[in-house]
Amino acid sequence: RKEVEQDPGPFNVPEGATVAFNCTYSNSASQSFFWYRQDCRKEPKLLMSVYSSGNEDGRFTAQLNRASQYISLLIRDSKLSDSATYLCVVNMEGYSSASKIIFGSGTRLSIRP
Amino acid sequence: DTGVSQDPRHKITKRGQNVTFRCDPISEHNRLYWYRQTLGQGPEFLTYFQNEAQLEKSRLLSDRFSAERPKGSFSTLEIQRTEQGDSAMYLCASSPGQGGETQYFGPGTRLLVL
Repeated sequence: RKEVEQDPGPFNVPEGATVAFNCTYSNSASQSFFWYRQDCRKEPKLLMSVYSSGNEDGRFTAQLNRASQYISLLIRDSKLSDSATYLCVVNMEGYSSASKIIFGSGTRLSIRP
Repeated sequence: DTGVSQDPRHKITKRGQNVTFRCDPISEHNRLYWYRQTLGQGPEFLTYFQNEAQLEKSRLLSDRFSAERPKGSFSTLEIQRTEQGDSAMYLCASSPGQGGETQYFGPGTRLLVL
């Protein structure tokens, strides 16, 4: 089992739709969680951190479910500009170990007009 | 622009040649990371520096790979005797290293080994 797993997609949804994807992680002791966005042939950029109580940033909502070991990202009122690959990132051992910052393979999202 | 920069952006080389990439992190960022990314995959950790000290190296980093950060500022990643399997995007990232773990990525160096 991979340490961090994502549905690769692609998710193809119409503009204005709501879309959600999950990311599961294997280590129950994982400490921190993030969503990054990566446009085609560009570098990853932080979209949002994921807090235990869940958090929202405009149209984006991130949630953490420690019991089931997954995080989720919800995008409301999707825009054409949301088309990208969304990378789930899990820090499995906390601040001290960079090698345990694990990236998922990404979920591709395509928004159609 | 005060973000992370990488040079070159693209490199084409023949198998067996040596290549060197440079990364300039955000100034005052203590932590610097190197990742490799291939098509359809997320970034894979290669190595990490806290200031000038190389603290961790992945098993992916064979003897042909070496990284340095001599003055705790910019870093170089060298690949000796390149192989076709080394073809990938090499990403550098930096973070403040003060407990915040947000990583800021550079644009990457795309390597093609013929």
